[in-house]
Amino acid sequence: EDKVVQSPLSLVVHEGDTVTLNCSYEVTNFRSLLWYKQEKKAPTFLFMLTSSGIEKKSGRLSSILDKKELFSILNITATQTGDSAIYLCAVDARNYQLIWGAGTKLIIKP
Amino acid sequence: EPEVTQTPSHQVTQMGQEVILRCVPISNHLYFYWYRQILGQKVEFLVSFYNNEISEKSEIFDDQFSVERPDGSNFTLKIRSTKLEDSAMYFCASSYGGAVQYFGPGTRLTVT
Repeated sequence: EDKVVQSPLSLVVHEGDTVTLNCSYEVTNFRSLLWYKQEKKAPTFLFMLTSSGIEKKSGRLSSILDKKELFSILNITATQTGDSAIYLCAVDARNYQLIWGAGTKLIIKP
Repeated sequence: EPEVTQTPSHQVTQMGQEVILRCVPISNHLYFYWYRQILGQKVEFLVSFYNNEISEKSEIFDDQFSVERPDGSNFTLKIRSTKLEDSAMYFCASSYGGAVQYFGPGTRLTVT
């Protein structure tokens, strides 16, 4: 059975800290891995990764994929209170049918 | 910036009743999806729709569920006879092609 596992499930840090969120996967037919941020309601897209070792970057957020070890990390540097959210990892393993992890709940304290 | 919209934002219904959840995907997108998220649980794929037909569906999407694109803009999810366990947030998403899906704000369905 295809599965996506995220760790940690929750994380509390202080503003300015750097955090690393993890996503590992076991799927029979990997196509891509996506990161989303979920605040109050809808997940909003952050990154899509298809190739190993190529870092995607957007401001203070960056992500990388390791297809050999079957995981991805999402880094957030110089965290701000607005980064508080649930970060979701999803894998496209068949025809854009996304398989989701449980998410990491990130709380940034001022 | 174009976005996916969903109505209603919250629907309360009695067990056994039919509900229709509505979505307006981003206008030039070709693929449409429904997901659900039971409170405190993972997002779960229900169905994908392309070229006016279902392309993939999960085990959750049984005979009580159906989807329709009745006109050029709306995409609906119908639950024929709701059960208590159907209570969840239902998200609609769309994509032009490829895995990057853009989500609507969701409809919270409460079945009493």
